[in-house]
Amino acid sequence: QITLKESGPTLVKPTQTLTLTCTFSGFSLSTRGVGVGWIRQPPGKALEWLALIYWDDDKRYSPSLKSRLTITKDTSKNQVVLTMTNMDPVDTATYYCAHRPGAAAPFDYWGQGTLVTVSS
Amino acid sequence: DIQMTQSPSSVSASVGDRVTITCRASQGISSWLAWYQQKPGKAPKVLIYGASSLQSGVPSRFSGSGSGTDFTLTISSLQPEDFAAYYCQQANSFPLTFGGGTKVEIK
Repeated sequence: QITLKESGPTLVKPTQTLTLTCTFSGFSLSTRGVGVGWIRQPPGKALEWLALIYWDDDKRYSPSLKSRLTITKDTSKNQVVLTMTNMDPVDTATYYCAHRPGAAAPFDYWGQGTLVTVSS
Repeated sequence: DIQMTQSPSSVSASVGDRVTITCRASQGISSWLAWYQQKPGKAPKVLIYGASSLQSGVPSRFSGSGSGTDFTLTISSLQPEDFAAYYCQQANSFPLTFGGGTKVEIK
């Protein structure tokens, strides 16, 4: 079965860089069409899509955050890494990674999420 | 960017009620729409994809309809476990965008 799990710091200081790792099992990110995305949710607010990487290393970013985001994959380790630079308290949120089985498909499997707090 | 507008933002309903949530896209997205359910402290769970296809394992009381810009999620007979937040998401083009959410509360 497909599982995903996010890992990374729970607390970061303003201006620091956040690095989150999504470790997954049950699928391969070398399978045609498959992607892994990152979505975040500030406390009490709606979901916001951040980035997505496809099996062929095609990468897509939210335009409003593109300058701060980098998404990479390590197919051999079954991991996807998201880095976000210049963190601000407004970036405090639960960060999720999720599996996307193909183009125009929904996110059908999600990690449990990890709460990241930005505070000095 | 395609804006997704959900309404209402919250609804109070009783067990057994029929509940309808709407989602409007700022431009046509064909049928590339998904609905998610999210319970407090949990990750979202996909209910509907392709506007009207029921995800495997999801009860048949959930249904979706619409195409183009206007979509609906209907819960035919609300059950206690359905009290949650619901989000639509367009999968037509990047950037992927979610609606603002609808909270279904107990009346």
